Amino acid sequence: AQSVTQLDSQVPVFEEAPVELRCNYSSSVSVYLFWYVQYPNQGLQLLLKYLSGSTLVKGINGFEAEFNKSQTSFHLRKPSVHISDTAEYFCAVSDPGGSQGNLIFGKGTKLSVKP
Amino acid sequence: DVKVTQSSRYLVKRTGEKVFLECVQDMDHENMFWYRQDPGLGLRLIYFSYDVKMKEKGDIPEGYSVSREKKERFSLILESASTNQTSMYLCASSLVLAVGGRAANEQFFGPGTRLTVL
Repeated sequence: AQSVTQLDSQVPVFEEAPVELRCNYSSSVSVYLFWYVQYPNQGLQLLLKYLSGSTLVKGINGFEAEFNKSQTSFHLRKPSVHISDTAEYFCAVSDPGGSQGNLIFGKGTKLSVKP
Repeated sequence: DVKVTQSSRYLVKRTGEKVFLECVQDMDHENMFWYRQDPGLGLRLIYFSYDVKMKEKGDIPEGYSVSREKKERFSLILESASTNQTSMYLCASSLVLAVGGRAANEQFFGPGTRLTVL
């Protein structure tokens, strides 16, 4: 079965430091990949998505992610984080077996940015 | 902008009560979803719907039912609430992106309903 693994459940980092949130997926076919962010007491908001084309995808709020097919990874990066980036981040992959492309979510990574 | 609204942000109910969670989207999306979110478990799909009056079970449908009488509205029903249904409930609607002959959902989420069952 398709699965998404977010390797770190919590990532603490100091303000202005770089950050990488890791995501690996299992699939033998081409997939579409998404990163969502959830700020405290809110719903999920799309950060960026990879459908095709360039493997480096840029999203909102200065985030970017790189699709690596050989390593089945889609890690999220930001060169310099801000306090306001404190949130939970979810990686998701479209279900290649589903005709409607339902998303399968990882368990989330809580990013905590400290001053 | 797509807007997905949920009827309540916070809800407190008693064990055995029938609970209705309402979700409305304003972008004419075909697909709608209900998830529950629990710490350490991420998002788990309860039910989804591809069209009016159509529903499909997700990964954890037990104890829940849904209703979709109009395209814009998708309701989640807890027939007899239990304490283990205390959770955050998220509704989403989606735009289906057809890329290379295959579909991918870009889902838009509501703000969530935090349900406590006492």
